[in-house]
Amino acid sequence: QSALTQPASVSGSPGQSITISCTGTSSDVGGYNYVSWYQQHPGKAPKLMIYDVSNRPSGVSNRFSGSKSGNTASLTISGLQAEDEADYYCSSYTSSSTLVGFGGGTKLTVL
Amino acid sequence: EVQLVQSGAEVKKPGESLKISCKGSGYSFTSYWIGWVRQMPGKGLEWMGIIYPGDSDTRYSPSFQGQVTISADKSISTAYLQWSSLKASDTAMYYCVRHWVPAAHFDYWGQGTLVTVSS
Repeated sequence: QSALTQPASVSGSPGQSITISCTGTSSDVGGYNYVSWYQQHPGKAPKLMIYDVSNRPSGVSNRFSGSKSGNTASLTISGLQAEDEADYYCSSYTSSSTLVGFGGGTKLTVL
Repeated sequence: EVQLVQSGAEVKKPGESLKISCKGSGYSFTSYWIGWVRQMPGKGLEWMGIIYPGDSDTRYSPSFQGQVTISADKSISTAYLQWSSLKASDTAMYYCVRHWVPAAHFDYWGQGTLVTVSS
């Protein structure tokens, strides 16, 4: 059972925007601004897309944005493109002994 | 260019031991934590633990404490993940990551090492 809760799947058409949620508790998502998001294409290593809730690493498209409200963080992808089809995982620092919790992952389908 | 290069795929039998590696380059290996992440077939990501190569300070997820050992040799910029007695349930892809602390994000990933444990 994952520490953080994500929807199993989301979908959208090219050009549209989608949002993936990541719900935790006050011990992780809600308590710290240490939420990150990863994109994983089939057979590939994950790639960091967002860190510290809303920061984009160099080279990541500005179509990707992150936010947080209370115990729920969100990843928004605007102007959907076929290449965005992938699995997305959130993670957060947690004050528990685990130190890091992951969401179960969300499969994004671009219709 | 920052790179983490992992050792190749392994096929082992239950009960055997194994040590896989992760070599860092393009940055100061002793100044950043290295972490390990497991991904079982068709499943999500699981955080296993981290090591600070500068002083070998190591932390484990309770789920993996006692099941694996994380180590590092800073003289050759290499981190390791090892098992003393593999189980079929250890079959998975294992990624090493450059791990920011306490922010807990991973900005560089190795290519992954597939470990298959089967009799």
